[in-house]
Amino acid sequence: AQTVTQSQPEMSVQEAETVTLSCTYDTSESDYYLFWYKQPPSRQMILVIRQEAYKQQNATENRFSVNFQKAAKSFSLKISDSQLGDAAMYFCAYRSGTASKLTFGTGTRLQVTL
Amino acid sequence: KAGVTQTPRYLIKTRGQQVTLSCSPISGHRSVSWYQQTPGQGLQFLFEYFSETQRNKGNFPGRFSGRQFSNSRSEMNVSTLELGDSALYLCASSLNSGFGEREAFFGQGTRLTVV
Repeated sequence: AQTVTQSQPEMSVQEAETVTLSCTYDTSESDYYLFWYKQPPSRQMILVIRQEAYKQQNATENRFSVNFQKAAKSFSLKISDSQLGDAAMYFCAYRSGTASKLTFGTGTRLQVTL
Repeated sequence: KAGVTQTPRYLIKTRGQQVTLSCSPISGHRSVSWYQQTPGQGLQFLFEYFSETQRNKGNFPGRFSGRQFSNSRSEMNVSTLELGDSALYLCASSLNSGFGEREAFFGQGTRLTVV
């Protein structure tokens, strides 16, 4: 069974600074997708960024980028120029290439301070 | 384009009762998945429906069931409610199921409180 581990329950970053959230996963599959979701107090899960396992290039979406290390099964999220609106729970998630089920990590609560 | 709509947003039920939650996916999406979110267990997959058929099921007791209609709207039902069923129930909508699928879009959830 696949597992996703987020070892940082809470992180804090100052506005305009950069922060990196860690995620490791375990799988024996070769075809899979990895995601970072953001869950603000409104509770709605919002997709931040997606990485296909077959792509070597790290995904980037504006201020958000990932460091995907396939051999190490590591998938970290870097947030640059942090903004107050980035404060939320961040979940790392895994999906097999052949199913829709998402396996989530336990989440990292990100605080953004002035 | 309307997003994923979950109703109701909040619900309070008594132990032993049953409850039905509803999820309307994004127009054109045929896959609906349900997740339970609790502080203790985190986010756990309940089941997925695609084209009115259950495709995948998580490790939950038979009290949890679901269905999907021809318009892709989905309902999940919990019978004989227990205090431990108190949770945020999230619905996710996808265009397809599995192979070739890109991403899931989530609704705002239904907060169920069992007293």
